[in-house]
Amino acid sequence: AQRVTQPEKLLSVFKGAPVELKCNYSYSGSPELFWYVQYSRQRLQLLLRHISRESIKGFTADLNKGETSFHLKKPFAQEEDSAMYYCALRTYGGSQGNLIFGKGTKLSVKP
Amino acid sequence: ETGVTQSPTHLIKTRGQQVTLRCSSQSGHNTVSWYQQALGQGPQFIFQYYREEENGRGNFPPRFSGLQFPNYSSELNVNALELDDSALYLCASMGSDTQYFGPGTRLTVL
Repeated sequence: AQRVTQPEKLLSVFKGAPVELKCNYSYSGSPELFWYVQYSRQRLQLLLRHISRESIKGFTADLNKGETSFHLKKPFAQEEDSAMYYCALRTYGGSQGNLIFGKGTKLSVKP
Repeated sequence: ETGVTQSPTHLIKTRGQQVTLRCSSQSGHNTVSWYQQALGQGPQFIFQYYREEENGRGNFPPRFSGLQFPNYSSELNVNALELDDSALYLCASMGSDTQYFGPGTRLTVL
């Protein structure tokens, strides 16, 4: 079954501390993974995707096919990083692909 | 490229009624997907439209239906509303191989 698991509902860290938001997936095909972020009162927006291998706002994520994981990391958290983070897996139920989301992790960065 | 709009913002209906939600895609985006996000959950895929035809569907019953128009705007229709249909409904249009989400419509079924 296709599934995305984010084990932590809430992650609370202090400013300047490292952050790791966990994501595990289950998919029989070649996975395409994303992290989406939703800041307070804003719409869901793409943070990064594994195929681009970018670093956005200091965040990185590496696809580990052996562990079926795509954890999101940032070495030094900032208060403005406080938001809801969703990991998503792209599947091809439709020709353009659709996303399967995890339940999300709320990141709270304290001053 | 985040010009996806949705209407209305909020809606309250009673059980058994029908509802239509609307989405206006970003200019040039010919693919739109609809998602349901229940409280405390991630978005769940309902269906996708490409050039006015449904071309993918998630695990939702037939009372969830949609339309896409020649200008690529879209509608989500839900018949025979149930209490569990209370959720945030998101549409996303696809451009440059990326889904751009609208702000959502909050539906409450009483």
